[in-house]
Amino acid sequence: NAGVMQNPRHLVRRRGQEARLRCSPMKGHSHVYWYRQLPEEGLKFMVYLQKENIIDESGMPKERFSAEFPKEGPSILRIQQVVRGDSAAYFCASSPNPPRQGGGYTFGSGTRLTVV
Amino acid sequence: GQQVMQIPQYQHVQEGEDFTTYCNSSTTLSNIQWYKQRPGGHPVFLIQLVKSGEVKKQKRLTFQFGEAKKNSSLHITATQTTDVGTYFCAGLKAAGNKLTFGGGTRVLVKP
Repeated sequence: NAGVMQNPRHLVRRRGQEARLRCSPMKGHSHVYWYRQLPEEGLKFMVYLQKENIIDESGMPKERFSAEFPKEGPSILRIQQVVRGDSAAYFCASSPNPPRQGGGYTFGSGTRLTVV
Repeated sequence: GQQVMQIPQYQHVQEGEDFTTYCNSSTTLSNIQWYKQRPGGHPVFLIQLVKSGEVKKQKRLTFQFGEAKKNSSLHITATQTTDVGTYFCAGLKAAGNKLTFGGGTRVLVKP
């Protein structure tokens, strides 16, 4: 009965490298959301995806950030040419229904990205 | 854009006392949700409120949705050390696609 699985748990990257964060939603959930959290702050919405489609990416920076949720495999959040300001916890969440139908999200344990 | 604000940012509570945390949205919401995040952990869904004026209880936790569907509160009675963590409210606009989180209330319990 696996929940939302995120890996890696911790990721260290040097400035200029690429970071790839993976998220496998709960079984039966086809809606995936990525949020970013800085220490002592709330969760900032980045992107909402449904299988093979980006539904809302209004919270994602236009440059260096991309997200996908392929037909097969996990959702991927990709950050190119990382900078120190990208250091944060990145949480993935999933739900069985779209947001407008209500219902809570199930969150993964997060990936803590540190850029050195 | 939509903003969700929570007060207080920090709440220091004596064990056994009650407290309330408040959540306010800049726009009318179709529903509001509450989550709890333990230190070093991830957000865990607690409850969803949908109707104007709705009140729901979970043991010592009482959640309320305002009449105008723009604000909400969480009241905890007889606080215990297990209540330590950050409580987030999150609101969804009608026909919206994104759940917007407040900044959270960080609860510390003094034994």
